[in-house]
Amino acid sequence: KAGVTQTPRYLIKTRGQQVTLSCSPISGHRSVSWYQQTPGQGLQFLFEYFSETQRNKGNFPGRFSGRQFSNSRSEMNVSTLELGDSALYLCASSPRGSDTDTQYFGPGTRLTVL
Amino acid sequence: DQQVKQNSPSLSVQEGRISILNCDYTNSMFDYFLWYKKYPAEGPTFLISISSIKDKNEDGRFTVFLNKSAKHLSLHIVPSQPGDSAVYFCAASDGGYGGSQGNLIFGKGTKLSVKP
Repeated sequence: KAGVTQTPRYLIKTRGQQVTLSCSPISGHRSVSWYQQTPGQGLQFLFEYFSETQRNKGNFPGRFSGRQFSNSRSEMNVSTLELGDSALYLCASSPRGSDTDTQYFGPGTRLTVL
Repeated sequence: DQQVKQNSPSLSVQEGRISILNCDYTNSMFDYFLWYKKYPAEGPTFLISISSIKDKNEDGRFTVFLNKSAKHLSLHIVPSQPGDSAVYFCAASDGGYGGSQGNLIFGKGTKLSVKP
């Protein structure tokens, strides 16, 4: 089975721009979660989607949004980029997103905001 | 306030010896714990998990121990190999909204170096 894929792998943007990141989960997985990793804050949960619905949300501003399509692929959007948004953005998929499922991570998208 | 803490930012062990990575948590509602390994420029790779109804889970060279009364878990790697050198993250889930595990809370990680 193919793993979680994320595109693009690297991205450079300037302040004020917006960006869209894409995540394709493992085939058959219906839950997709997004995380931000920075050196200072570590890995922090952004949101989780299941069956095209946002089911859980972390403590991030409204500039961070996402969506999930009927094939479980997910996109994450960040509007009005700030320098502090520079980070590794990871998505993870699991079959149902239940509390005994294991999340499998993609390689991440490295976003640099100049 | 950090709910999941890995108090040792780094650990160095000799090849063939045991590596013990520790993790403490504060939220007694956490019911599922996972360990991930991460290499630079890659996503975390799942290693092993444990449910709060167990106190030990073993998978090959990796064993996770859970002490609920102390709110402490540890990952033992025996024997340690140079390829184990990576950052290890402890993560916890409280079931989240509607029983979802979609929200994992991670520790800051411990960098393990296994020297030949």
